[in-house]
Amino acid sequence: AQSVAQPEDQVNVAEGNPLTVKCTYSVSGNPYLFWYVQYPNRGLQFLLKYITGDNLVKGSYGFEAEFNKSQTSFHLKKPSALVSDSALYFCAVRDYNAGNMLTFGGGTRLMVKP
Amino acid sequence: KAGVTQTPRYLIKTRGQQVTLSCSPISGHRSVSWYQQTPGQGLQFLFEYFSETQRNKGNFPGRFSGRQFSNSRSEMNVSTLELGDSALYLCASSLASRRGGQETQYFGPGTRLLVL
Repeated sequence: AQSVAQPEDQVNVAEGNPLTVKCTYSVSGNPYLFWYVQYPNRGLQFLLKYITGDNLVKGSYGFEAEFNKSQTSFHLKKPSALVSDSALYFCAVRDYNAGNMLTFGGGTRLMVKP
Repeated sequence: KAGVTQTPRYLIKTRGQQVTLSCSPISGHRSVSWYQQTPGQGLQFLFEYFSETQRNKGNFPGRFSGRQFSNSRSEMNVSTLELGDSALYLCASSLASRRGGQETQYFGPGTRLLVL
């Protein structure tokens, strides 16, 4: 079975400071990892994914994520946070052997204060 | 290219009724997946359809069903609604030509269902 953990329900950061949203995963096979963002009353918006290759993945809106196989982590990062980045962030994993089903973490609310 | 569309956006039903939600995928996408989002359980996978066939199913009771049409549009149906079915139902589409592919799932805005 595959699972995802987002250990922080909320992350607070000041505008202009770097941000990190943590994610750890568990799969039996090779993982495909994804980050999505959800704004109020909206669906999920794709940010970035890791499939294979370079462990540092760059995505939309200046976000990036680092895949760490030994620590089974896929933390989301951004060098300089914006107030408009405030939203709910979801990490998701797909096990290559488990079809196309995404398993999501519980979500982390990011609050960026001016 | 137009994104994933879902109708209706909001729905209010009473216990015991049934409901049908609709999803139109991105043009060219043949895989459609459905997820339920609730504050208590988070995001949970319902099922996936590809080429009019259910390819994968989550751990939900048989009251939850779906289908896919030849144009890849999909519907999900919930019969005998319960209060606990109140949720945001999200549809996602992808190319997903085979199981376990690398393709990204793109989500629609969701249908918010309230069961009274």
